[in-house]
Amino acid sequence: DAGVTQSPTHLIKTRGQHVTLRCSPISGHKSVSWYQQVLGQGPQFIFQYYEKEERGRGNFPDRFSARQFPNYSSELNVNALLLGDSALYLCASSLGGSKEKLFFGSGTQLSVL
Amino acid sequence: GESVGLHLPTLSVQEGDNSIINCAYSNSASDYFIWYKQESGKGPQFIIDIRSNMDKRQGQRVTVLLNKTVKHLSLQIAATQPGDSAVYFCAETMEYGNKLVFGAGTILRVKS
Repeated sequence: DAGVTQSPTHLIKTRGQHVTLRCSPISGHKSVSWYQQVLGQGPQFIFQYYEKEERGRGNFPDRFSARQFPNYSSELNVNALLLGDSALYLCASSLGGSKEKLFFGSGTQLSVL
Repeated sequence: GESVGLHLPTLSVQEGDNSIINCAYSNSASDYFIWYKQESGKGPQFIIDIRSNMDKRQGQRVTVLLNKTVKHLSLQIAATQPGDSAVYFCAETMEYGNKLVFGAGTILRVKS
């Protein structure tokens, strides 16, 4: 079975642009979470979606938004990109919504120039 | 704010030795903990988890110990192998849902 898949794997953008990152969860998983990992640090929680509804949101500005589709895939959108948004964006999926094993994808490496 | 922290940023061990990676957490309300391994260019890989109603849990070559009295979590890796070289993160959940709070990570280097 395929694991969590993310696209694209790498992306280069310039300041002020917007970006859309995509994630497909493991088959049968209904929850998707997004994390931002800056080089040298642990991942930071951005969003969680379960059954297409936002379950939680981390301390990120409104420039960050996400949604989950009926097939449980998800998109993370970031508007008005800043240099500080450069990071590895990780998607994780789980069966249900609470306190379960999270399985991570390999991430999308975003570079903002 | 409350956070999960690690005592040692880098740990070097000889191949075949046992490794112990430590983690301190500050939120006594946390009741679910996970250890992840992250290799260069990859996402975190689930190693083992433990709930607060347990003190110890064993997997294949790994053991997680939870000491709620001193809010301490450790990961023990038996017979450490070169393939174990990676960054190890502990994470905790503080609330309903799957919002994990990660520590900064410990680099494990295995010398052959």
